[in-house]
Amino acid sequence: SAVISQKPSRDICQRGTSLTIQCQVDSQVTMMFWYRQQPGQSLTLIATANQGSEATYESGFVIDKFPISRPNLTFSTLTVSNMSPEDSSIYLCSVENSWGADTEAFFGQGTRLTVV
Amino acid sequence: GQQLNQSPQSMFIQEGEDVSMNCTSSSIFNTWLWYKQDPGEGPVLLIALYKAGELTSNGRLTAQFGTTRKDSFLNISASIPSDVGIYFCAGRTTSGTYKYIFGTGTRLKVLA
Repeated sequence: SAVISQKPSRDICQRGTSLTIQCQVDSQVTMMFWYRQQPGQSLTLIATANQGSEATYESGFVIDKFPISRPNLTFSTLTVSNMSPEDSSIYLCSVENSWGADTEAFFGQGTRLTVV
Repeated sequence: GQQLNQSPQSMFIQEGEDVSMNCTSSSIFNTWLWYKQDPGEGPVLLIALYKAGELTSNGRLTAQFGTTRKDSFLNISASIPSDVGIYFCAGRTTSGTYKYIFGTGTRLKVLA
């Protein structure tokens, strides 16, 4: 399985500011995803990070609020922009490994964000 | 966002008991994954399923890929206190932009 390092692990931020979360994988992967997990809830996909092109956002998420970079096959960043208390959540990076037609998805440890 | 229906939502069981939970979807998937999440951690992959009807075990855990491809089941036998946590199913979409859709989660509490 891929080893995923996510930084920071937690942060407390002032409203109106932005936070960039980094995701580093120990091997090249095709697919990288960013999820949000609100307190006590399941995981909601924000976007698929595409290497060398714009991310593919899910309904309800926009690039201006959650800009994503993916400069290569092992690294991605998610920025939470102009934060408000409603953005307080856990943000999770995920990668997909493939063996032929079989795939598995693995997660980083998450970034716990609190906006005050 | 889209989510899968997972039941039960939560359960309290006695140590040593068996546990069953399931996940249903209105769409078909070609991959089902089951995860466990502990507090403050990311989800950890437990079992992956790739074929309709497939039954796969990982220690005390057994999962099945439903024959309709719209559901999956997870069983935990002889539960122990460290089984406490939240269990999520996830299905991988079969067309368009490939992605994983997650279930609503089952919170498991084990009474010693």
